[in-house]
Formats: sequence, C-alpha cells, structure tokens
Amino acid sequence: EPEVTQTPSHQVTQMGQEVILRCVPISNHLYFYWYRQILGQKVEFLVSFYNNEISEKSEIFDDQFSVERPDGSNFTLKIRSTKLEDSAMYFCASSEERGSGTDTQYFGPGTRLTVL
Amino acid sequence: DAKTTQPPSMDCAEGRAANLPCNHSTISGNEYVYWYRQIHSQGPQYIIHGLKNNETNEMASLIITEDRKSSTLILPHATLRDTAVYYCIKAQGNTGKLIFGQGTTLQVKP
Repeated sequence: EPEVTQTPSHQVTQMGQEVILRCVPISNHLYFYWYRQILGQKVEFLVSFYNNEISEKSEIFDDQFSVERPDGSNFTLKIRSTKLEDSAMYFCASSEERGSGTDTQYFGPGTRLTVL
Repeated sequence: DAKTTQPPSMDCAEGRAANLPCNHSTISGNEYVYWYRQIHSQGPQYIIHGLKNNETNEMASLIITEDRKSSTLILPHATLRDTAVYYCIKAQGNTGKLIFGQGTTLQVKP
C-alpha cells in the first residue's frame, strides 16, 4: 500500500541552524501539507501546497519557514534559523484532491526535531 | 467554527465494541466528518469519513445522526493495538486544512 515517507526520523540541531525536513508524498497525490506537534500538545496545521504554490499557511508558518517541491517526488520543509520552540514532531501529509469528502490526507511517520 | 467536542478519555474491554462519540453541532451542509487516530507519537492514521450516510470499512463504522450534529465511531472488536488518541474532525471546506482537537484517548484493556 502506498505511503508517505519522511526523513530523517530524528534530527538534532543547534539553535540558529538551518534544517531541512524531507517528505516523499504518495506518488499520484497533488496536495501536500506540513503539520507539527509539540510534545503533549495538539497536531497543528502549518502549510498546504499545490501546483508549486502555497495554498494556505497558518500564523505559525512565519518567514523562518519555507516549503519546496524540488523535484517530482520530494516535498521539503526548511526552517532557516531554528529556535528552541521549534522542537516538535513534524508530519508531512498528502492528498489526491482537495475538497470536502475527497481530500483524505495520509500522513507520514514524522520527523522529530530537537533544537538544543 | 472548526471545533468538535469529544470526551477526553474512554476505556474499552478487549474484544468488545468501542463506541466513540463526537459532537459537531455547527457542521455545515458541505462539511464531512473525518476520523483519524494517533498511536503514541506516530503520524495520524486515517480511519473513515462521511457526510450524512453511515459508512463502514475494514477498520470501523461511522454512524452519523440524521441532523448531522453528532456522530459515533465504532470499532467492532477492539484490540490492544487500538489503544490510541482518536480525533473527530470537520473537513474545512475546500481548504484541505485539518484542525485537530485534543481527541479521545481510548484505552483498550485486557
């Protein structure tokens, strides 16, 4: 069964460093998402992406964050200058379509980001 | 209003049916109800979704009330591996954004 994959599973970085989290969405999916979950808290939407553009972003997704689909398979989340509060699980998701009832999103296993 | 209301926790005996309720009284006509679950800190796992008719798949059944203000997720024969946080989510129209609440922590006990 097709699945979303993410690498690395765990990333440790120093405050102020740049990190890139990678995702390979399900191959025929067109819509891509990033969510994050701070330990013990809710899963939070960060950004959605379609046709090489951001469709929607949350207030969390500030200028320190960017997303890119550099090739036909990968979808990346970059944090330019990490802060302690960026420590969280980051989940990538993809869906075939967007819209009520048809945009079932399938999530990857997540990348645990630890900022020291 | 993106919120749904779920009990914070529930217990279920292994082998019995687990019935997880959700209130979504502000749901609009074109919004679907989605159910996901999260085991430990793994990625949320899609379970089922529906608009107004009851739905069943290999994992669960979804019963939606006629007025669509509430629904129940049914795991017919719960196993220990079904212990997880279950989220009931109203789909955000055409945005694709999922807004997760705190969900219901289901503990399946032997």
